[in-house]
Amino acid sequence: AQSVTQLGSHVSVSEGALVLLRCNYSSSVPPYLFWYVQYPNQGLQLLLKYTTGATLVKGINGFEAEFKKSETSFHLTKPSAHMSDAAEYFCAVSERNRDDKIIFGKGTRLHILP
Amino acid sequence: DTGVSQDPRHKITKRGQNVTFRCDPISEHNRLYWYRQTLGQGPEFLTYFQNEAQLEKSRLLSDRFSAERPKGSFSTLEIQRTEQGDSAMYLCASSSNQGGTETQYFGPGTRLLVL
Repeated sequence: AQSVTQLGSHVSVSEGALVLLRCNYSSSVPPYLFWYVQYPNQGLQLLLKYTTGATLVKGINGFEAEFKKSETSFHLTKPSAHMSDAAEYFCAVSERNRDDKIIFGKGTRLHILP
Repeated sequence: DTGVSQDPRHKITKRGQNVTFRCDPISEHNRLYWYRQTLGQGPEFLTYFQNEAQLEKSRLLSDRFSAERPKGSFSTLEIQRTEQGDSAMYLCASSSNQGGTETQYFGPGTRLLVL
């Protein structure tokens, strides 16, 4: 069975500092990996996804993530945090032949300090 | 805006009542998903449709829950005899599996509070 573990339910960074949100996955087959963002009282928006090919994936709003198979990780980073980045972030995994079924982590709430 | 829409956005009901939620997917999308999200958790898969066919249901979907997508367009999720434990955000997503890896696009959700 697939699963996702997000390390840290809350992360605080100062405006302008590096954002690093950690995600480790478990999958018995090659995975597809996703990061979604959820702003208050809104649905989820896809930030980026990894399917095959280049392991460094660039997404919207300056975010990127790197697939590291040896570490079973897919950490999300952004070089410089902005106040508008404050939101809940979800890492998710699906099987390559079952990309219709996505398993989400519990989420990490990102707080931006002025 | 031609994104996924859900109605209502908020619903307060008393325990034991029935509620129905509606989801309108992106028009060209053939797949439609329902998820439930409780406080402090990520979305949990409930069920999904490809066109009008319901292809999979989670064990989370008790017999009090029923979902339909009669014409392969909008979908409804009904909860009968609601319980306080049903209080959650119900999210709908849609996607197209035609051409490449599908991406699920989410609606704003319906927040249910059962008193």
